[in-house]
Amino acid sequence: GESVGLHLPTLSVQEGDNSIINCAYSNSASDYFIWYKQESGKGPQFIIDIRSNMDKRQGQRVTVLLNKTVKHLSLQIAATQPGDSAVYFCAERGDTGRRALTFGSGTRLQVQP
Amino acid sequence: DGGITQSPKYLFRKEGQNVTLSCEQNLNHDAMYWYRQDPGQGLRLIYYSQIVNDFQKGDIAEGYSVSREKKESFPLTVTSAQKNPTAFYLCASSSGGSGNTIYFGEGSWLTVV
Repeated sequence: GESVGLHLPTLSVQEGDNSIINCAYSNSASDYFIWYKQESGKGPQFIIDIRSNMDKRQGQRVTVLLNKTVKHLSLQIAATQPGDSAVYFCAERGDTGRRALTFGSGTRLQVQP
Repeated sequence: DGGITQSPKYLFRKEGQNVTLSCEQNLNHDAMYWYRQDPGQGLRLIYYSQIVNDFQKGDIAEGYSVSREKKESFPLTVTSAQKNPTAFYLCASSSGGSGNTIYFGEGSWLTVV
């Protein structure tokens, strides 16, 4: 299948290092945020989410940080593995009206062995 | 298996033809969504439905139509009015409400020949 994310910003890390992927969101009224991982030719896969009443949430090897003051979201991946190579998207959802997700433009993560 | 099934995976359309992409979910989710993804870009919302027999336009609804006659089904028709339909189409669903994760299908590739 055709690859998506051909011209995305790229973060290149060494296997075993920690990765930090950043995202600036647009709507100060957004109350829910999700990080997705997308491999080539596949649908986005849920990684971790966070609500606006929190500033940090941890999962298995991943941590999401939310800074509402500057409308910034980050995804930290510990001990990055080759299988983590993919395109990562952040998404936000407004607190009223339309409840569908709005996506950022994505970052490609390349893990070097 | 529970999940979201999109079909067909690959579809070719001649100019002037309408085509319909299927999306079925057995997750008992109330809300369903259609997104379009072009290379190097994030996902853009076409249509969404929060409940059966109701749907709303997203950001790029022109040239598309949907129906939601059953809870588990949300087909997308790409009409001849859509001038640049070649893209990767993603269907998603969620249980609705605040903070409920949105899950994606594996996508359908549509190419105009």
